[in-house]
Amino acid sequence: TQLLEQSPQFLSIQEGENLTVYCNSSSVFSSLQWYRQEPGEGPVLLVTVVTGGEVKKLKRLTFQFGDARKDSSLHITAAQPGDTGLYLCAGDIQGAQKLVFGQGTRLTINP
Amino acid sequence: DARVTQTPRHKVTEMGQEVTMRCQPILGHNTVFWYRQTMMQGLELLAYFRNRAPLDDSGMPKDRFSAEMPDATLATLKIQPSEPRDSAVYFCASGLGTGVTDTQYFGPGTRLTVL
Repeated sequence: TQLLEQSPQFLSIQEGENLTVYCNSSSVFSSLQWYRQEPGEGPVLLVTVVTGGEVKKLKRLTFQFGDARKDSSLHITAAQPGDTGLYLCAGDIQGAQKLVFGQGTRLTINP
Repeated sequence: DARVTQTPRHKVTEMGQEVTMRCQPILGHNTVFWYRQTMMQGLELLAYFRNRAPLDDSGMPKDRFSAEMPDATLATLKIQPSEPRDSAVYFCASGLGTGVTDTQYFGPGTRLTVL
């Protein structure tokens, strides 16, 4: 059983379309992070959200932390082929002092 | 451009053999993490160190896995004896801070195949 469930697991869309991926849990997190991983590389941190309801923007990427700090979403506007990769969410469960990762959403943007 | 380095990048070995993976954290970073990534389980934390002291190795099978930091510039993960189920990509990450949510910088990984 995964503590963090990501959906969808796979997503293939055309360049220019918008998309949203989700990260859900029944646990409360002190903070939540989003990473992008490209083939043959390690994950790279995109953003950390800490406050319930927080919204952060990184160019065309918008990250939101749920009010109850149990879920998060990543929205990409006008997706580009360079956005292709594995998107991972990771949460710091309260009191656990370690990050738990979701299974990831494998995103493919077709030219 | 400071990066975490890992060696080897690829390792193929036979069941029962000893495997040692090495990681050089970014100079000055005080925290080192070992992760394992598989298609089935995703990315799992095996162990982590702060200031070379092991803080958590609860994710690591104790009977065959061991992790050490002989000095601040080297972390090792050893599997003895290796089994086919250990086949995975092993990542090392380093960071600077006091919490697990401090930015972690991942290395490129070691892809291990145990036949």
